Amino acid sequence: QKEVEQDPGPLSVPEGAIVSLNCTYSNSAFQYFMWYRQYSRKGPELLMYTYSSGNKEDGRFTAQVDKSSKYISLFIRDSQPSDSATYLCAMITDSWGKLQFGAGTQVVVTP
Amino acid sequence: GAVVSQHPSWVICKSGTSVKIECRSLDFQATTMFWYRQFPKQSLMLMATSNEGSKATYEQGVEKDKFLINHASLTLSTLTVTSAHPEDSSFYICSATSGRAGGDTQYFGPGTRLTVL
Repeated sequence: QKEVEQDPGPLSVPEGAIVSLNCTYSNSAFQYFMWYRQYSRKGPELLMYTYSSGNKEDGRFTAQVDKSSKYISLFIRDSQPSDSATYLCAMITDSWGKLQFGAGTQVVVTP
Repeated sequence: GAVVSQHPSWVICKSGTSVKIECRSLDFQATTMFWYRQFPKQSLMLMATSNEGSKATYEQGVEKDKFLINHASLTLSTLTVTSAHPEDSSFYICSATSGRAGGDTQYFGPGTRLTVL
């Protein structure tokens, strides 16, 4: 079993819809959670960084963490074609900041 | 802030030659840098963790004599692919953190696409 599970998609939504992404993890020691966006042939870009259980909002993005269920989510409101990318969840696994990534979910927002 | 650059962005080389990729943190001191490779439609695979002034720690299955990593300063790490072969063709991405204990985030470079003919 992988430490971090993420559905690779693709997930196709119409413009303006809410995009819902999630990851599950198995190691209860994970405390820091991130969501990255990666466009084709580019490096990942940090979108959201969360520590505690609950919600964190930044513009059209909302990140949720449920440590009791080992489940994290990312919601994108009012999705735009420019949101079409691969979204990767990631968790810090040691004191040096080493990350464990999910497989990445490909999102396609159609006009 | 937190900008990481890579050079070159794209390189083609002949089989058997060596290629050096540079990773720089432009506006912060990176005590720790990470090197990843990524194949098409796959997630990032960590190759090694590099701490300034010390030897890199390689992940299982990564040949340290083939992928030489040097982290000589707080803003520069290099990855040298020695005696490159076509199967080394991939997208190589570096990232950097300021290395504070606990939950420091990684900031990624734009990646380097290596094609070995």
